[in-house]
Amino acid sequence: GENVEQHPSTLSVQEGDSAVIKCTYSDSASNYFPWYKQELGKRPQLIIDIRSNVGEKKDQRIAVTLNKTAKHFSLHITETQPEDSAVYFCAAMRGAQKLVFGQGTRLTINP
Amino acid sequence: GAVVSQHPSWVICKSGTSVKIECRSLDFQATTMFWYRQFPKQSLMLMATSNEGSKATYEQGVEKDKFLINHASLTLSTLTVTSAHPEDSSFYICSARGGQEQFFGPGTRLTVL
Repeated sequence: GENVEQHPSTLSVQEGDSAVIKCTYSDSASNYFPWYKQELGKRPQLIIDIRSNVGEKKDQRIAVTLNKTAKHFSLHITETQPEDSAVYFCAAMRGAQKLVFGQGTRLTINP
Repeated sequence: GAVVSQHPSWVICKSGTSVKIECRSLDFQATTMFWYRQFPKQSLMLMATSNEGSKATYEQGVEKDKFLINHASLTLSTLTVTSAHPEDSSFYICSARGGQEQFFGPGTRLTVL
């Protein structure tokens, strides 16, 4: 089955700098890769997703890149702000099957 | 995006009692819902996939007799934790699938005394 590895587990950046979180997946047939942001005690919220027919997707300060050959995808947050502090999860899914989550990255933005 | 509600948001119960958690898709029909469990500072662990009108599919290591799942309609799935024990204390989150996207409920924090 699918296995998703996420790095780093914690990340601390200065406000205004960029943050990058990376994930690798094992199932070459996976075709949907969402990223979720979860604040303490709250539900995961979808912040961006990418499908396998696209290499990059951007939404304001957030971008995701996908390398199907290497089976990895990354989340890029630019001009970070204190409200970006949260736990971020990547996930991978094949067709209409279940999501497989990475281990999560705790992002802290230092003012 | 689509809205998924979950009830209750928190519950405290005595050891040995059963607790039912409801997950509703408010503005769309979901043939498939998922139940996750999340321990502090850890990722979401899928417990089972709930399919409307059929039996749930449980992940390896999840006791189906302890975590009863019912998906009786296209907008409601329930998780019942039977004979709860302190080790069942956790954050339980449901999600409903719309296309490939999954929309998460706000979670239920269960504390078993």
